[in-house]
Amino acid sequence: GNSVTQMEGPVTLSEEAFLTINCTYTATGYPSLFWYVQYPGEGLQLLLKATKADDKGSNKGFEATYRKETTSFHLEKGSVQVSDSAVYFCAATAGNKLTFGGGTRVLVKP
Amino acid sequence: GAGVSQSPSNKVTEKGKDVELRCDPISGHTALYWYRQSLGQGLEFLIYFQGNSAPDKSGLPSDRFSAERTGGSVSTLTIQRTQQEDSAVYLCASSQDRGTHNEQFFGPGTRLTVL
Repeated sequence: GNSVTQMEGPVTLSEEAFLTINCTYTATGYPSLFWYVQYPGEGLQLLLKATKADDKGSNKGFEATYRKETTSFHLEKGSVQVSDSAVYFCAATAGNKLTFGGGTRVLVKP
Repeated sequence: GAGVSQSPSNKVTEKGKDVELRCDPISGHTALYWYRQSLGQGLEFLIYFQGNSAPDKSGLPSDRFSAERTGGSVSTLTIQRTQQEDSAVYLCASSQDRGTHNEQFFGPGTRLTVL
């Protein structure tokens, strides 16, 4: 089956720092890829997605590019804010279900 | 409704009791999913419904777990004879249709604690 691996946290950053969270996947076929975010006390929300190779998903200053050659979907943001503190999950579809990475907790300090 | 809703938001039960968790998907969404989020296992898929049928139950961890969906809408996840390892946050999601590109919208979850 599919699997998703993402870097373990926690990741602690200062405000305006650059953020990268690595994500790689193994899959049969060509899955769609997603980043979900879970803010403290809230449910999972879709942050961005990409449905085919070389697609770039972007939202709220975050970006991720679907790299088939490296089976990766790394999340980046150029200048983080305190409000970006959350747990970030990389996910891939396998048929009709999502397979999630383990989540990466990000803490942004003022 | 505006989003996926789940009830109860919290449930504390004693080992050996049965529990029912409810999910109300977004109106018109034909696909419904249950996931479990626990400290040791991360986010795990449990079951997928398309309409009222469940073509994929592969994630249900044991025969103590069952789920149904009626009227193509509300779904109930039932855990019989609960065990402490069942403690987790149970998440429900829905999407407009099946298929790999359709975004799944998640509810706030039910936090289950088995004492």
